[in-house]
Amino acid sequence: DAMVIQNPRYQVTQFGKPVTLSCSQTLNHNVMYWYQQKSSQAPKLLFHYYDKDFNNEADTPDNFQSRRPNTSFCFLDIRSPGLGDAAMYLCATSKPSGLANSPLHFGNGTRLTVT
Amino acid sequence: EDQVTQSPEALRLQEGESSSLNCSYTVSGLRGLFWYRQDPGKGPEFLFTLYSAGEEKEKERLKATLTKKESFLHITAPKPEDSATYLCAVNPGGYQKVTFGTGTKLQVIP
Repeated sequence: DAMVIQNPRYQVTQFGKPVTLSCSQTLNHNVMYWYQQKSSQAPKLLFHYYDKDFNNEADTPDNFQSRRPNTSFCFLDIRSPGLGDAAMYLCATSKPSGLANSPLHFGNGTRLTVT
Repeated sequence: EDQVTQSPEALRLQEGESSSLNCSYTVSGLRGLFWYRQDPGKGPEFLFTLYSAGEEKEKERLKATLTKKESFLHITAPKPEDSATYLCAVNPGGYQKVTFGTGTKLQVIP
């Protein structure tokens, strides 16, 4: 089955120690997203790629960066994690919004703990 | 600013007790409204897309409807396996961006 895969499922890092989360997709979708979701909150969009074009949300901290080396893979880098960055990080893909039926397809997330 | 508000925050039903979840929205121009199901510790799973007022979609015990200001997710004769958080999201159009509500946490008791 075509899918979105996130690794690792659980990540523990120390305060200030850089961490990278990864996402791969077999859907061949143009658009890839990173969302942050804290307990009982709505997923919050951090940034997205439309093909190789990177789009950062205005309120995404500089501490968060992303790379998309090819269509299938996307990475989220947190340069200096703080305690407030502990959350579930969700990767999603979609076709371009101009097409009908272009919902988001999510991976199962990476749960980040900062100690 | 685009806003999505879901109610109630939590809902507890007996198995077989039908009910509805509400999603009200304010957007500049609606391109699509989406319903997702999210199980604990997992990513949201797509359920439905609705595009225009009056549209309805059904899947098993779930039926989603859309008006100009809100959407309802009707759950008919729910089963314990329907327990999850149901998220509503809107695409205001013209951009690759979706705004989510905070969800309704549904618990169905046997």
